[in-house]
Amino acid sequence: NAGVTQTPKFQVLKTGQSMTLQCAQDMNHEYMSWYRQDPGMGLRLIHYSVGAGITDQGEVPNGYNVSRSTTEDFPLRLLSAAPSQTSVYFCASSYPRGERNSPLHFGNGTRLTVT
Amino acid sequence: GDSVTQMEGPVTLSEEAFLTINCTYTATGYPSLFWYVQYPGEGLQLLLKATKADDKGSNKGFEATYRKETTSFHLEKGSVQVSDSAVYFCALETGGFKTIFGAGTRLFVKA
Repeated sequence: NAGVTQTPKFQVLKTGQSMTLQCAQDMNHEYMSWYRQDPGMGLRLIHYSVGAGITDQGEVPNGYNVSRSTTEDFPLRLLSAAPSQTSVYFCASSYPRGERNSPLHFGNGTRLTVT
Repeated sequence: GDSVTQMEGPVTLSEEAFLTINCTYTATGYPSLFWYVQYPGEGLQLLLKATKADDKGSNKGFEATYRKETTSFHLEKGSVQVSDSAVYFCALETGGFKTIFGAGTRLFVKA
């Protein structure tokens, strides 16, 4: 009963390095999203996808890329890490957003530190 | 734009005390409202939800009523336990593709 799986759990990067945060779900959810969590700011949406091959920007997309080649996977790429990207990153999935009762299912997060 | 405002924490209570965490929202249209809970080291999980005015969501002794006239969705519990210590997030979704979260309220319950 895996749900939403995120890897790695922790990561330290130097400024300018790139990396990919992995997210996979086994619930056949069409909708997937990435949030970042910063103290006092709640969760802010980075990118989302409503199905394979379809992605769109959220509130804070700059510095991040996504792709959705399969229903199960939704990786988040940091192109050139900056200290401002130090945060906890959460992947979440749900049924199609047309179903208004459908809540988000979250992974356990990736804690990223950029030095 | 749409937004959610929660009372600032942390909130510190003794076991068996009454809990209220205030949440108000601004939204166009008719949002669905949610409370999520985050335990240490974990992701958020749904606590309860309400999809239309005057609906009451409830789960694990927690309750919240969707009040359209006051644009509020306050979380309440009659008797908190140490195990309720966590961060609580109020959120709304207006039928688009974005869920908007409040800043979160940290609750500490002392034995």
